[in-house]
Amino acid sequence: AQKVTQAQTEISVVEKEDVTLDCVYETRDTTYYLFWYKQPPSGELVFLIRRNSFDEQNEISGRYSWNFQKSTSSFNFTITASQVVDSAVYFCALSGGFNNNDMRFGAGTRLTVKP
Amino acid sequence: DAGITQSPRHKVTETGTPVTLRCHQTENHRYMYWYRQDPGHGLRLIHYSYGVKDTDKGEVSDGYSVSRSKTEDFLLTLESATSSQTSVYFCAISEWAEGTDTQYFGPGTRLTVL
Repeated sequence: AQKVTQAQTEISVVEKEDVTLDCVYETRDTTYYLFWYKQPPSGELVFLIRRNSFDEQNEISGRYSWNFQKSTSSFNFTITASQVVDSAVYFCALSGGFNNNDMRFGAGTRLTVKP
Repeated sequence: DAGITQSPRHKVTETGTPVTLRCHQTENHRYMYWYRQDPGHGLRLIHYSYGVKDTDKGEVSDGYSVSRSKTEDFLLTLESATSSQTSVYFCAISEWAEGTDTQYFGPGTRLTVL
């Protein structure tokens, strides 16, 4: 069975600090996909990134970066120079194979960025 | 914006009453999903649909049924609501890109069962 663990329930940082959100996954599939979603206080779920199991290149998008390491089954998310607007719950998710009809989410990490 | 709306956005009901939540999409997506979000559990899949009248169960399907009579509408029904079904319910659609599907979510429905 697939499983995603986000061990950090809550993180609090001060604006401009860097912060890393951890995501560890378990799967028996050789082909799988990892995702990050953001849920701001307004409640909607916003897609951030998708990564497939064959692509271990790190990704950078502005202040956001993602570190995918198959050797440790981790897909960590780093926010550089955090801002108050980054305050949200962040979810890591995993789907196997070529469809995501059994996508599994982690429990989420609540990030609070204080001014 | 994946063109997904959910109705109602908020609902309070009593134990034992039937409840139907509606998900509506405007972009002709084949796959649609219903999730529930609870503290400590993230999102968990209830049911999904892969076409009109084609549905299947997810991880937490007990106590829920679904129907899809039109491509654009996916209904979630609680036949007899219980307090354990108090939750936030999200609908999602799936879009194909870069070798896989990515799910995009509606705004959510907050359901309280008293």
